Amino acid sequence: GAVVSQHPSWVICKSGTSVKIECRSLDFQATTMFWYRQFPKQSLMLMATSNEGSKATYEQGVEKDKFLINHASLTLSTLTVTSAHPEDSSFYICSATRASGSDTQYFGPGTRLTVL
Amino acid sequence: GDSVTQMEGPVTLSEEAFLTINCTYTATGYPSLFWYVQYPGEGLQLLLKATKADDKGSNKGFEATYRKETTSFHLEKGSVQVSDSAVYFCALSDQGGSEKLVFGKGTKLTVNP
Repeated sequence: GAVVSQHPSWVICKSGTSVKIECRSLDFQATTMFWYRQFPKQSLMLMATSNEGSKATYEQGVEKDKFLINHASLTLSTLTVTSAHPEDSSFYICSATRASGSDTQYFGPGTRLTVL
Repeated sequence: GDSVTQMEGPVTLSEEAFLTINCTYTATGYPSLFWYVQYPGEGLQLLLKATKADDKGSNKGFEATYRKETTSFHLEKGSVQVSDSAVYFCALSDQGGSEKLVFGKGTKLTVNP
């Protein structure tokens, strides 16, 4: 158990458009979901933490108006990259923790975003 | 701030070879330490963890010991298999993993038959 999916797995978009990435916990309820960004040959960097039904908490340096996070249910969080630019091209990964209080984060397979 | 440094890859080994991937950390307080593995096309999976000094985490033949004196959490396996080919990430958390994780850059391991 504890499967997390992301959709799409990859996306190419034009500069100036918005892109939505979904993160779903398939077989458990997730009170908390995390969004990470990974540049080539770099470590995962936490962007924001979202709790169901409340506003996301963004890490320092992450623009909350550019990276909109919605955690509308216990199984779904979305990340919308607004007015995307080429420098937003990256690998975006989400993770989730169970509502039962386990401290383990379960990771999705990631979404590759390329902005032309 | 907290940080994790792990050895640069890629690492290429023959089957049954001994594996060590070094990981050191910088943190205030007493973090929990983790190794995550990412197989091709899949999400990161927790491989093992240790929550206090001298704890040894182990799973699937992999081991790592929390060394406070050297601020290290090196990953070892006595005999690797082709199926161990993956990217390995060392990470720490100040709150047991339920909150912010700080990752190393990852080390790609390739095991040849």
